[in-house]
Amino acid sequence: NAGVMQNPRHLVRRRGQEARLRCSPMKGHSHVYWYRQLPEEGLKFMVYLQKENIIDESGMPKERFSAEFPKEGPSILRIQQVVRGDSAAYFCASSSGRVNQPQHFGDGTRLSIL
Amino acid sequence: AQSVTQLGSHVSVSEGALVLLRCNYSSSVPPYLFWYVQYPNQGLQLLLKYTSAATLVKGINGFEAEFKKSETSFHLTKPSAHMSDAAEYFCAVSDGAGSYQLTFGKGTKLSVIP
Repeated sequence: NAGVMQNPRHLVRRRGQEARLRCSPMKGHSHVYWYRQLPEEGLKFMVYLQKENIIDESGMPKERFSAEFPKEGPSILRIQQVVRGDSAAYFCASSSGRVNQPQHFGDGTRLSIL
Repeated sequence: AQSVTQLGSHVSVSEGALVLLRCNYSSSVPPYLFWYVQYPNQGLQLLLKYTSAATLVKGINGFEAEFKKSETSFHLTKPSAHMSDAAEYFCAVSDGAGSYQLTFGKGTKLSVIP
């Protein structure tokens, strides 16, 4: 499967625990985006990364959330000390960054906080 | 700042009838516009994109959309609905075709009545 791969598909955490969401972009893509989808809402941009660089994190909450895209391996969205309000679907998208090439999305990680 | 408004959170059509999903946008720069479809528990699949070429854009599964600058609209249409079209549809806008964040509308759930 050459598409955007996200894991896990479902993640359950208790309040106060840490959540780690992984995203492997499509082959040949070096631009990664994370979005959050709350119930009955569209997707909201969180962060845009290229390899080893955060390009735009204007949509990230100021506390507890971080993202990285290391030189080797998948991009990671990390949520520390989760709270009930973090329950959502988190989607990763990737693109080549070239003009006229759109973002391609993974199937998402559904995060549930008990 | 960019924004997207999708009129109608739920739309129902009969099988074989015309599908019309509305999208209006605001953007301070010439926009790039997209329609994505989301099936339950899946990620977003690109239906079509407008990137300043032809104003009438044809996509997959028989969908098309027309960019009307004077109306700031990018409505999605399909001449004849099929049961498999039942899904949620999202309109999105960005500053660039591949390397910028997407701003999404809240989505329109399409139901197809047999």
